[in-house]
Amino acid sequence: GAVVSQHPSWVICKSGTSVKIECRSLDFQATTMFWYRQFPKQSLMLMATSNEGSKATYEQGVEKDKFLINHASLTLSTLTVTSAHPEDSSFYICSARELFRGYTFGSGTRLTVV
Amino acid sequence: ILNVEQSPQSLHVQEGDSTNFTCSFPSSNFYALHWYRWETAKSPEALFVMTLNGDEKKKGRISATLNTKEGYSYLYIKGSQPEDSATYLCALRSYDKVIFGPGTSLSVIP
Repeated sequence: GAVVSQHPSWVICKSGTSVKIECRSLDFQATTMFWYRQFPKQSLMLMATSNEGSKATYEQGVEKDKFLINHASLTLSTLTVTSAHPEDSSFYICSARELFRGYTFGSGTRLTVV
Repeated sequence: ILNVEQSPQSLHVQEGDSTNFTCSFPSSNFYALHWYRWETAKSPEALFVMTLNGDEKKKGRISATLNTKEGYSYLYIKGSQPEDSATYLCALRSYDKVIFGPGTSLSVIP
C-alpha cells in the first residue's frame, strides 16, 4: 500500500532557529500534499495545501513566511518552521494524495522549541 | 466552512464490550466522509470512505454508517479488543481540503 515517510519524528530546537520537516511518498506520486498541525486535545488543523511545482495555499491565520512549504517533486514536500518560538511547539503531520486515490499520512513530527 | 464534531471525546470500555461513537457535521455539502484509526506513534490508518446517504461499510468487527440528511456518521466496534485502543478520527472531504474532527480516544481495558 501507499506509504509516506515523515521525519524527523521528534525534534527539539532552540528558540530562533529553523527546523525542516520532510515528507516523502515512497511508492507513489503525491500530486498534492497537506500539512496539518495539532495542539493538545484538538483536531488536526490544516495549515496549507501544496501541489507539486506550485506555491502552497495557506489557510487563514497561517503565516506563510514562518511556515515555508516546498513541494519541488512528486515525492517530496518539506515544511520549514523559521525562527521557531516556544508557541510553535506542536505536532505536525503531512498527508499525501495520489491522483484518483485516497490520502496517506506520515507518522508526524513532535516539535519542541525551548 | 465545514465544522466536524466528534463525541464522546474519550471512552473506556471493557474487553468484549461493543461500543460506538459519533461524528456530526452541519452540512451535506462535501464529497466524502472518512474514518481513520490513529495509534500513538503511528500514521493514521484509513478505515472507511463513505459518500452516499445511507452508506454502510464494514471491516471485520468495525462498521460505520452515514446519514447526510441529519448530518452524522456512527462508528461501531463489536466485541472491543485491547488492540482497538486508539484515537478514531472522522474527516469531511470537500473539493480541495479535508477537515478533521477532534477524535474519540478509545481505551479497551483487558
